[in-house]
Amino acid sequence: AQKITQTQPGMFVQEKEAVTLDCTYDTSDPSYGLFWYKQPSSGEMIFLIYQGSYDQQNATEGRYSLNFQKARKSANLVISASQLGDSAMYFCAMRENRDTGNQFYFGTGTSLTVIP
Amino acid sequence: DTAVSQTPKYLVTQMGNDKSIKCEQNLGHDTMYWYKQDSKKFLKIMFSYNNKELIINETVPNRFSPKSPDKAHLNLHINSLELGDSAVYFCASSPPARKNEQYFGPGTRLTVT
Repeated sequence: AQKITQTQPGMFVQEKEAVTLDCTYDTSDPSYGLFWYKQPSSGEMIFLIYQGSYDQQNATEGRYSLNFQKARKSANLVISASQLGDSAMYFCAMRENRDTGNQFYFGTGTSLTVIP
Repeated sequence: DTAVSQTPKYLVTQMGNDKSIKCEQNLGHDTMYWYKQDSKKFLKIMFSYNNKELIINETVPNRFSPKSPDKAHLNLHINSLELGDSAVYFCASSPPARKNEQYFGPGTRLTVT
């Protein structure tokens, strides 16, 4: 089974609108972390936001918030007030904590295009 | 500038050659990683080093070997390059006690012909 599933290969959003990028994960570990990264067309990977499995509140970083629904194993990224510079690939990732170290898994990404 | 840097940015080489990609971070981080991003944009972790100790070794071919001369460097050496090794390779690092944050280098686009 896929560890991280991003079902939206491409998304469009109007500038200044909010958009939700979906991410579901699969793990049986009680302790794990969830991440979102942004990859613009220039290719670099930019860390956006993190949610720990034991965190009680949803993580927020500026215009980014992570809608963490543990029972549903979903970790959707919400971008508020979209800007043209938000156009990029977005990757959801999960870290499982193992005795041998951390295992990281990435989704296949969602391409977001912000329309002026 | 404080950052994660990689050299070279582009690498074109022939099958069978041996090549290295260098990574340096001056952020004072204690854990460094190598990722491979294939043509379909899928990212896969390859290695992780913490204080010069390998703590993750995904099932990558043993032609790939990470080398860490010190905490600030994690180089990737690849022997006998194959066509399937063509990809973008990212180095990343994370700070002590904050493994939830990973800072990526600009990537190295490797093309094997």
